[in-house]
Amino acid sequence: GAGVSQSPRYKVAKRGQDVALRCDPISGHVSLFWYQQALGQGPEFLTYFQNEAQLDKSGLPSDRFFAERPEGSVSTLKIQRTQQEDSAVYLCASRGFGTGELFFGEGSRLTVL
Amino acid sequence: DAKTTQPPSMDCAEGRAANLPCNHSTISGNEYVYWYRQIHSQGPQYIIHGLKNNETNEMASLIITEDRKSSTLILPHATLRDTAVYYCIVRVNYGGSQGNLIFGKGTKLSVKP
Repeated sequence: GAGVSQSPRYKVAKRGQDVALRCDPISGHVSLFWYQQALGQGPEFLTYFQNEAQLDKSGLPSDRFFAERPEGSVSTLKIQRTQQEDSAVYLCASRGFGTGELFFGEGSRLTVL
Repeated sequence: DAKTTQPPSMDCAEGRAANLPCNHSTISGNEYVYWYRQIHSQGPQYIIHGLKNNETNEMASLIITEDRKSSTLILPHATLRDTAVYYCIVRVNYGGSQGNLIFGKGTKLSVKP
């Protein structure tokens, strides 16, 4: 597709379950970002990849959050033992080489019951 | 990245110009002003960016003051579809996770018929 694709769009998990959120960036985009957006707030940075290398994971809120991009294309954000405070929209964005603009997906809305 | 200040909300009549202000008094010489918007249930969408000159594209115009301490995003003929949260962000243009966007709470623009 032409844009950033995220799946699932909606996920309901019971507290304690593990979840995996997928991001398919724009083809050829080197940089990939994950953000978390709580209700009524702006997106907050979680982690950044350049190709397959995770260069910044300073925004990950706990060691229950793990992200990977093994082949430098598709990325997965995994949340282990989900808690209610993990309920949020998780946004993925990609950026091409030599540009400043980030292209965002529509997000994955996670609800933890 | 420099902090920005935006009004929390604004109203605009359909067909009129919407002028969204942003203060960024601590902006550095190598930081650009970026504007994104987020329509309900969608990911943020790039609108425009600039360094010191005024910029115009098919979506909007960006007016940056000479001292670069503030800017205004102008939607020349607002439509109902322009109802969204508008984020003003300042950052260096490229470079690893320095290219990360730091979002505030933005301005919620409501375009009314």
